[in-house]
Amino acid sequence: AQKVTQAQTEISVVEKEDVTLDCVYETRDTTYYLFWYKQPPSGELVFLIRRNSFDEQNEISGRYSWNFQKSTSSFNFTITASQVVDSAVYFCALSEYRDDKIIFGKGTRLHILP
Amino acid sequence: NAGVTQTPKFQVLKTGQSMTLQCAQDMNHEYMSWYRQDPGMGLRLIHYSVGAGITDQGEVPNGYNVSRSTTEDFPLRLLSAAPSQTSVYFCASRQGSNQPQHFGDGTRLSIL
Repeated sequence: AQKVTQAQTEISVVEKEDVTLDCVYETRDTTYYLFWYKQPPSGELVFLIRRNSFDEQNEISGRYSWNFQKSTSSFNFTITASQVVDSAVYFCALSEYRDDKIIFGKGTRLHILP
Repeated sequence: NAGVTQTPKFQVLKTGQSMTLQCAQDMNHEYMSWYRQDPGMGLRLIHYSVGAGITDQGEVPNGYNVSRSTTEDFPLRLLSAAPSQTSVYFCASRQGSNQPQHFGDGTRLSIL
């Protein structure tokens, strides 16, 4: 069965520091999709990125970057030069090609201190 | 653009009462899901649907029923509310298995 582990429950860093959020997944499928979502204090869930299992290229979007490594079953998320507005809960999620559901990790609560 | 609409936003129930949480989407998405969010537990899948007339259980289905009579609507029913069902409930939809979820704003439910 698919599983997503976000071992970091809560992280606090000072503004402008870089921070990496870890995501480790388990799947028996060779085709799968990984996602990251952000949940700011206002509570809505915001989609950040999708990566399919055949695309191991790292992705960069502004201050955000994602490192996908199939060898270690990890899909880590790095925020460079963090800002207070990055404070949120971040969720990693997995969807298998042969299954119809998306399973989420427990989330990492990120505090950016001014 | 409405996207995914959940009603109500807040609700307080007494133990044993029944209730239906409404979810509607206007994006013609085939896939719809219900999640509950509890502190330290992340988002846990309750039920999901891949099209009208098709539903399946997720990780925590006990105490909840769903039906999918139309593509647009996916209501979640609590038949006999229990305090353990106090949570924030999110409905989501997506176009296909490789697509990201679009979430509603959530329903905060308290069972006394």
